[in-house]
Amino acid sequence: QKEVEQNSGPLSVPEGAIASLNCTYSDRGSQSFFWYRQYSGKSPELIMSIYSNGDKEDGRFTAQLNKASQYVSLLIRDSQPSDSATYLCAVPTSGTYKYIFGTGTRLKVLA
Amino acid sequence: DGGITQSPKYLFRKEGQNVTLSCEQNLNHDAMYWYRQDPGQGLRLIYYSQIVNDFQKGDIAEGYSVSREKKESFPLTVTSAQKNPTAFYLCASSQGSSTNEKLFFGSGTQLSVL
Repeated sequence: QKEVEQNSGPLSVPEGAIASLNCTYSDRGSQSFFWYRQYSGKSPELIMSIYSNGDKEDGRFTAQLNKASQYVSLLIRDSQPSDSATYLCAVPTSGTYKYIFGTGTRLKVLA
Repeated sequence: DGGITQSPKYLFRKEGQNVTLSCEQNLNHDAMYWYRQDPGQGLRLIYYSQIVNDFQKGDIAEGYSVSREKKESFPLTVTSAQKNPTAFYLCASSQGSSTNEKLFFGSGTQLSVL
């Protein structure tokens, strides 16, 4: 069974710091990687997607992908209390439309 | 407005009862999904469907059933065989032309056992 693993946290960072969230996956054939943010009791919303090795930046968010190490990360710069949420990593299993989610990392940004 | 509508928002199930969760989308998406989320946990895939009249089991399909008779609709039935149904259920959809596409989510249904 293909797996996606994340540290459940909570990860606590002070306001203004960089938060670093990590995700590893087992399917070497996976080509697409997604980060979703989920507030308590709400549905997930897409933060970033990344398909190629390297970094992809969007505002305060940077996704990093290393396919050789089967590792994808999300950096949040200048963290704000409103960033406090659970961050979910999602990876479609190669050759299918089966999107597998990690257990999520709970982020707390302390004011 | 295009989107995914899940209903009801809250649902209560009695012992031995089957209940059906509704999911409708007007995004003209081919692929639809059902996920279950337990408190403090990630999303676990129950069933998914890439086209009308076809669906596949996910990782936790036991005790659940689905149908896909129309492109816009993908209802989930939680049967009496599912002994621990209390969870937050999320329906999602994607275009279905490649796995480079993001998932769009509905607002979820919270199911509880009476």
